[in-house]
Amino acid sequence: NAGVMQNPRHLVRRRGQEARLRCSPMKGHSHVYWYRQLPEEGLKFMVYLQKENIIDESGMPKERFSAEFPKEGPSILRIQQVVRGDSAAYFCASSPVLGEWDTDTQYFGPGTRLTVL
Amino acid sequence: GIQVEQSPPDLILQEGANSTLRCNFSDSVNNLQWFHQNPWGQLINLFYIPSGTKQNGRLSATTVATERYSLLYISSSQTTDSGVYFCAVERHDYNQGGKLIFGQGTELSVKP
Repeated sequence: NAGVMQNPRHLVRRRGQEARLRCSPMKGHSHVYWYRQLPEEGLKFMVYLQKENIIDESGMPKERFSAEFPKEGPSILRIQQVVRGDSAAYFCASSPVLGEWDTDTQYFGPGTRLTVL
Repeated sequence: GIQVEQSPPDLILQEGANSTLRCNFSDSVNNLQWFHQNPWGQLINLFYIPSGTKQNGRLSATTVATERYSLLYISSSQTTDSGVYFCAVERHDYNQGGKLIFGQGTELSVKP
């Protein structure tokens, strides 16, 4: 059973360009989470999605950042007009279908390391 | 929101030594996970342990939910144990279910 897949693993962008980060959850998982790890810091939650729905985006910056998880295909985290402060490791995690109040392990992908020049 | 504090922030061990890492959290939680981030940056699941005790090889973890803390034990440490250990918790509140709140981590360095 393949784990959570993320690509690209490394991404270099110049200021003002767009960055698209992709995440394919584990087979059978329909919950996707994005986290960001700034240099020398811990991980911070960004957004929680289920297929075609954003459940919680309380950690997303208000501007330039967006996320989607379409019915078909991977989840996409999109950063428009990148700035140097966006340089970080972006991790995706997935978990299986749960009841409304259930919890289960979140499995993390290898991350995408974004560098903004 | 929930606060997660880990201690110690840094730890240096000689190979073969044992250690205990602590995670305190400020409110009741539905989920608690321990992770190891290796020197290459990969996050590895160690335990899903909202309560009770689990063991996996040289590692074991205990969560005392009523007292709001969790402990990670590493026995007979090896150089490959080096890296940062994170504790993360989740609490199901209205509009907040699902997200993990991470502590700042314990950076472990095991010397040969």
